Amino acid sequence: NAGVTQTPKFQVLKTGQSMTLQCAQDMNHNSMYWYRQDPGMGLRLIYYSASEGTTDKGEVPNGYNVSRLNKREFSLRLESAAPSQTSVYFCASSEGWAAWSNQPQHFGDGTRLSIL
Amino acid sequence: GQQVMQIPQYQHVQEGEDFTTYCNSSTTLSNIQWYKQRPGGHPVFLIQLVKSGEVKKQKRLTFQFGEAKKNSSLHITATQTTDVGTYFCAGPEDNAGGTSYGKLTFGQGTILTVHP
Repeated sequence: NAGVTQTPKFQVLKTGQSMTLQCAQDMNHNSMYWYRQDPGMGLRLIYYSASEGTTDKGEVPNGYNVSRLNKREFSLRLESAAPSQTSVYFCASSEGWAAWSNQPQHFGDGTRLSIL
Repeated sequence: GQQVMQIPQYQHVQEGEDFTTYCNSSTTLSNIQWYKQRPGGHPVFLIQLVKSGEVKKQKRLTFQFGEAKKNSSLHITATQTTDVGTYFCAGPEDNAGGTSYGKLTFGQGTILTVHP
Protein backbone atom coordinates (compact mmCIF):
# COMPACT_ATOMS: atom_id res chain seq x y z
CA ASN A 1 0.00 0.00 0.00
CA ALA A 2 1.90 3.06 -1.30
CA GLY A 3 -0.46 5.77 0.01
CA VAL A 4 0.20 9.02 -1.88
CA THR A 5 2.84 8.91 -4.60
CA GLN A 6 4.34 12.05 -6.14
CA THR A 7 6.59 12.34 -9.16
CA PRO A 8 9.15 13.64 -9.74
CA LYS A 9 10.92 14.02 -6.38
CA PHE A 10 13.28 16.74 -7.64
CA GLN A 11 13.17 19.06 -10.63
CA VAL A 12 15.11 22.06 -11.87
CA LEU A 13 13.47 24.31 -14.45
CA LYS A 14 14.39 27.47 -16.28
CA THR A 15 12.13 30.49 -16.09
CA GLY A 16 9.33 30.17 -18.63
CA GLN A 17 9.43 26.38 -18.89
CA SER A 18 6.35 24.34 -18.14
CA MET A 19 5.92 21.10 -16.27
CA THR A 20 3.35 18.88 -14.60
CA LEU A 21 3.66 17.41 -11.14
CA GLN A 22 1.94 14.07 -10.80
CA CYS A 23 0.11 12.71 -7.78
CA ALA A 24 -1.71 9.42 -7.27
CA GLN A 25 -3.33 7.87 -4.21
CA ASP A 26 -4.40 4.28 -3.70
CA MET A 27 -6.61 4.77 -0.61
CA ASN A 28 -9.84 5.41 -2.55
CA HIS A 29 -10.00 8.91 -1.06
CA ASN A 30 -12.50 11.45 -2.33
CA SER A 31 -10.57 14.64 -1.68
CA MET A 32 -7.13 15.64 -2.92
CA TYR A 33 -5.02 18.73 -2.36
CA TRP A 34 -1.91 20.51 -3.61
CA TYR A 35 0.18 22.56 -1.19
CA ARG A 36 3.39 24.51 -1.42
CA GLN A 37 5.74 24.83 1.52
CA ASP A 38 8.13 27.74 1.87
CA PRO A 39 10.36 28.48 4.90
CA GLY A 40 8.42 30.17 7.69
CA MET A 41 5.14 30.04 5.73
CA GLY A 42 3.74 26.69 6.70
CA LEU A 43 1.69 24.83 4.11
CA ARG A 44 -0.36 26.92 1.73
CA LEU A 45 -3.16 25.39 -0.31
CA ILE A 46 -2.84 25.90 -4.06
CA TYR A 47 -5.82 23.92 -5.38
CA TYR A 48 -8.03 21.18 -4.12
CA SER A 49 -10.50 18.65 -5.44
CA ALA A 50 -13.36 17.79 -3.10
CA SER A 51 -14.40 14.87 -5.29
CA GLU A 52 -13.75 13.36 -8.68
CA GLY A 53 -14.71 15.80 -11.39
CA THR A 54 -14.42 18.97 -9.28
CA THR A 55 -11.54 21.33 -8.61
CA ASP A 56 -11.34 24.69 -6.89
CA LYS A 57 -8.83 27.36 -5.98
CA GLY A 58 -7.06 27.51 -2.66
CA GLU A 59 -5.09 30.32 -1.07
CA VAL A 60 -2.36 30.73 -3.73
CA PRO A 61 -3.64 29.50 -7.14
CA ASN A 62 -2.03 32.07 -9.43
CA GLY A 63 0.38 30.54 -11.95
CA TYR A 64 -0.97 27.00 -11.51
CA ASN A 65 -3.59 24.75 -13.03
CA VAL A 66 -4.83 21.34 -11.92
CA SER A 67 -6.56 18.32 -13.36
CA ARG A 68 -8.42 15.64 -11.42
CA LEU A 69 -7.90 12.94 -14.01
CA ASN A 70 -9.87 10.31 -12.09
CA LYS A 71 -10.45 9.42 -8.45
CA ARG A 72 -6.82 8.35 -8.01
CA GLU A 73 -4.90 11.08 -9.80
CA PHE A 74 -4.58 14.84 -9.30
CA SER A 75 -1.94 16.72 -11.30
CA LEU A 76 -0.53 20.23 -10.88
CA ARG A 77 0.73 22.17 -13.88
CA LEU A 78 3.02 25.17 -14.05
CA GLU A 79 2.45 26.74 -17.46
CA SER A 80 5.29 29.28 -17.36
CA ALA A 81 7.54 28.74 -14.36
CA ALA A 82 8.80 31.72 -12.39
CA PRO A 83 11.53 31.88 -9.71
CA SER A 84 8.83 32.73 -7.12
CA GLN A 85 7.46 29.21 -7.66
CA THR A 86 10.62 27.63 -6.27
CA SER A 87 9.26 25.59 -3.39
CA VAL A 88 8.49 22.15 -2.05
CA TYR A 89 5.17 20.89 -3.36
CA PHE A 90 3.09 18.38 -1.45
CA CYS A 91 0.09 16.46 -2.64
CA ALA A 92 -2.34 15.15 -0.02
CA SER A 93 -5.57 13.20 0.08
CA SER A 94 -8.34 12.54 2.57
CA GLU A 95 -11.51 10.49 2.69
CA GLY A 96 -13.56 13.67 2.72
CA TRP A 97 -15.25 15.59 5.47
CA ALA A 98 -18.19 15.66 7.86
CA ALA A 99 -19.99 18.64 9.29
CA TRP A 100 -18.11 18.42 12.59
CA SER A 101 -14.83 16.93 11.60
CA ASN A 102 -12.21 16.65 8.93
CA GLN A 103 -10.65 13.38 7.93
CA PRO A 104 -6.86 13.31 8.34
CA GLN A 105 -4.86 14.31 5.31
CA HIS A 106 -2.23 11.88 4.01
CA PHE A 107 0.75 13.49 2.31
CA GLY A 108 3.12 12.37 -0.41
CA ASP A 109 6.88 12.70 -0.06
CA GLY A 110 6.93 16.01 -1.92
CA THR A 111 8.53 17.45 -5.05
CA ARG A 112 11.45 19.82 -4.57
CA LEU A 113 11.23 22.30 -7.43
CA SER A 114 13.86 24.92 -8.27
CA ILE A 115 13.31 27.52 -10.96
CA LEU A 116 16.33 29.40 -12.21
CA GLY B 1 -9.46 35.73 6.05
CA GLN B 2 -8.90 33.08 8.67
CA GLN B 3 -5.50 33.02 10.30
CA VAL B 4 -3.89 30.25 12.31
CA MET B 5 -0.84 31.39 14.24
CA GLN B 6 1.70 29.25 16.07
CA ILE B 7 4.25 30.23 18.67
CA PRO B 8 7.11 29.92 19.08
CA GLN B 9 8.51 29.64 15.57
CA TYR B 10 11.63 27.87 16.87
CA GLN B 11 12.39 26.01 20.08
CA HIS B 12 15.73 24.53 21.08
CA VAL B 13 15.73 22.21 24.09
CA GLN B 14 18.10 19.85 25.84
CA GLU B 15 17.07 16.23 25.73
CA GLY B 16 14.84 15.54 28.71
CA GLU B 17 13.36 19.04 28.88
CA ASP B 18 9.69 19.69 28.22
CA PHE B 19 8.38 21.49 25.13
CA THR B 20 5.12 23.30 24.37
CA THR B 21 3.81 24.86 21.18
CA TYR B 22 0.70 27.02 21.03
CA CYS B 23 -1.79 27.47 18.23
CA ASN B 24 -4.27 30.38 17.98
CA SER B 25 -7.01 30.85 15.42
CA SER B 26 -8.68 34.11 14.45
CA THR B 27 -12.01 32.23 14.22
CA THR B 28 -13.76 29.51 16.19
CA LEU B 29 -12.80 26.09 14.92
CA SER B 30 -15.05 23.05 14.65
CA ASN B 31 -11.98 20.87 15.12
CA ILE B 32 -8.20 21.07 15.04
CA GLN B 33 -5.56 18.70 13.78
CA TRP B 34 -1.87 18.35 14.60
CA TYR B 35 0.83 17.13 12.22
CA LYS B 36 4.54 16.38 12.59
CA GLN B 37 7.09 16.79 9.82
CA ARG B 38 10.53 15.29 10.28
CA PRO B 39 13.45 17.13 8.60
CA GLY B 40 13.33 16.40 4.87
CA GLY B 41 10.06 14.53 5.26
CA HIS B 42 6.38 15.10 4.77
CA PRO B 43 3.69 16.06 7.32
CA VAL B 44 2.22 13.13 9.21
CA PHE B 45 -1.12 13.32 11.02
CA LEU B 46 -0.86 13.01 14.80
CA ILE B 47 -4.30 13.69 16.22
CA GLN B 48 -7.60 15.53 15.88
CA LEU B 49 -9.47 17.34 18.66
CA VAL B 50 -13.17 18.11 18.30
CA LYS B 51 -14.73 18.97 21.65
CA SER B 52 -14.35 22.15 23.64
CA GLY B 53 -11.76 21.66 26.41
CA GLU B 54 -10.73 18.27 25.04
CA VAL B 55 -7.44 16.75 26.20
CA LYS B 56 -5.83 13.78 24.49
CA LYS B 57 -2.57 12.00 25.24
CA GLN B 58 -0.25 9.97 23.09
CA LYS B 59 2.55 8.63 25.30
CA ARG B 60 4.65 11.74 26.12
CA LEU B 61 2.51 14.07 23.95
CA THR B 62 -0.48 15.93 25.41
CA PHE B 63 -2.87 17.84 23.16
CA GLN B 64 -5.43 20.36 24.38
CA PHE B 65 -8.28 22.18 22.64
CA GLY B 66 -9.33 25.42 24.29
CA GLU B 67 -12.74 26.01 25.84
CA ALA B 68 -13.56 28.64 23.23
CA LYS B 69 -12.28 26.37 20.44
CA LYS B 70 -9.96 29.11 19.20
CA ASN B 71 -6.69 27.80 20.57
CA SER B 72 -4.82 24.58 21.11
CA SER B 73 -1.52 23.37 22.50
CA LEU B 74 0.86 20.46 22.18
CA HIS B 75 3.06 19.58 25.14
CA ILE B 76 5.88 17.05 24.99
CA THR B 77 7.22 15.75 28.28
CA ALA B 78 10.88 14.80 28.55
CA THR B 79 11.84 15.38 24.93
CA GLN B 80 13.90 12.83 23.03
CA THR B 81 15.99 13.23 19.89
CA THR B 82 13.26 11.41 17.99
CA ASP B 83 10.93 14.36 18.70
CA VAL B 84 12.94 16.61 16.36
CA GLY B 85 10.87 18.14 13.57
CA THR B 86 8.26 20.75 12.77
CA TYR B 87 4.88 20.59 14.46
CA PHE B 88 1.89 22.08 12.67
CA CYS B 89 -1.62 22.75 13.82
CA ALA B 90 -4.37 22.99 11.22
CA GLY B 91 -8.00 24.00 11.35
CA PRO B 92 -10.84 23.77 8.83
CA GLU B 93 -11.02 26.75 6.54
CA ASP B 94 -13.68 29.18 7.65
CA ASN B 95 -16.33 29.44 4.95
CA ALA B 96 -18.68 31.69 6.92
CA GLY B 97 -20.64 28.77 8.31
CA GLY B 98 -20.45 26.68 5.18
CA THR B 99 -18.59 23.42 4.77
CA SER B 100 -14.83 23.58 4.43
CA TYR B 101 -14.87 20.63 1.99
CA GLY B 102 -12.03 19.16 4.00
CA LYS B 103 -9.72 22.11 3.45
CA LEU B 104 -7.35 23.02 6.24
CA THR B 105 -5.54 26.22 7.16
CA PHE B 106 -2.12 25.37 8.55
CA GLY B 107 -0.17 27.36 11.10
CA GLN B 108 3.42 28.30 10.24
CA GLY B 109 4.72 25.48 12.41
CA THR B 110 7.12 25.27 15.35
CA ILE B 111 10.54 23.87 14.57
CA LEU B 112 11.84 21.78 17.47
CA THR B 113 15.48 20.88 17.84
CA VAL B 114 16.67 18.62 20.64
CA HIS B 115 20.28 18.64 21.81
CA PRO B 116 21.46 15.29 23.20
